[in-house]
Amino acid sequence: NAGVMQNPRHLVRRRGQEARLRCSPMKGHSHVYWYRQLPEEGLKFMVYLQKENIIDESGMPKERFSAEFPKEGPSILRIQQVVRGDSAAYFCASSSLVVPDTQYFGPGTRLTVL
Amino acid sequence: RKEVEQDPGPFNVPEGATVAFNCTYSNSASQSFFWYRQDCRKEPKLLMSVYSSGNEDGRFTAQLNRASQYISLLIRDSKLSDSATYLCVVNEGRGFKTIFGAGTRLFVKA
Repeated sequence: NAGVMQNPRHLVRRRGQEARLRCSPMKGHSHVYWYRQLPEEGLKFMVYLQKENIIDESGMPKERFSAEFPKEGPSILRIQQVVRGDSAAYFCASSSLVVPDTQYFGPGTRLTVL
Repeated sequence: RKEVEQDPGPFNVPEGATVAFNCTYSNSASQSFFWYRQDCRKEPKLLMSVYSSGNEDGRFTAQLNRASQYISLLIRDSKLSDSATYLCVVNEGRGFKTIFGAGTRLFVKA
């Protein structure tokens, strides 16, 4: 039973480029969450999605960041025009409809902005 | 006041010691509670859920006190492999928003 998959594991971008981070939830899970963790800091909630719906995006920066979870395929976190301050680990988690508040995490994507 | 507050740590303990972590949360309407552990540069892993009745899993015991809005984790007979950051996690229920504490780092020494 494959766990939560994220790719790429490491991503390097120059300032001004776009970053696309992908997350495939655990099999049977319909809820996806994105978190950001800055070096030496805790996890910060960004967004919670179900298939084709954004449920809570209260943690998302107002500009440059967007997320989707289409009917088919992985969830995507998109960061446009990246800046150095976007360098962080981005973790995706998923949970099931039956036990929605127990989340399982993917290995994360480490974004480095040069 | 932070939504979820933990002991700042780090905790440095010898192998075999008993160590306790504390956590408080601000939203009295919070629905569910968890402890996760996170190893350096890895993803958080679910350690255990926390219930009002308390729950135990081997050397780990978690307690919830809703009246005091307080959660604890006790680790008995510490092992070197317990060295990690322990995260207190609170789910507020509405929209399943989840709040992570900043974490308490534990170092277990031989």
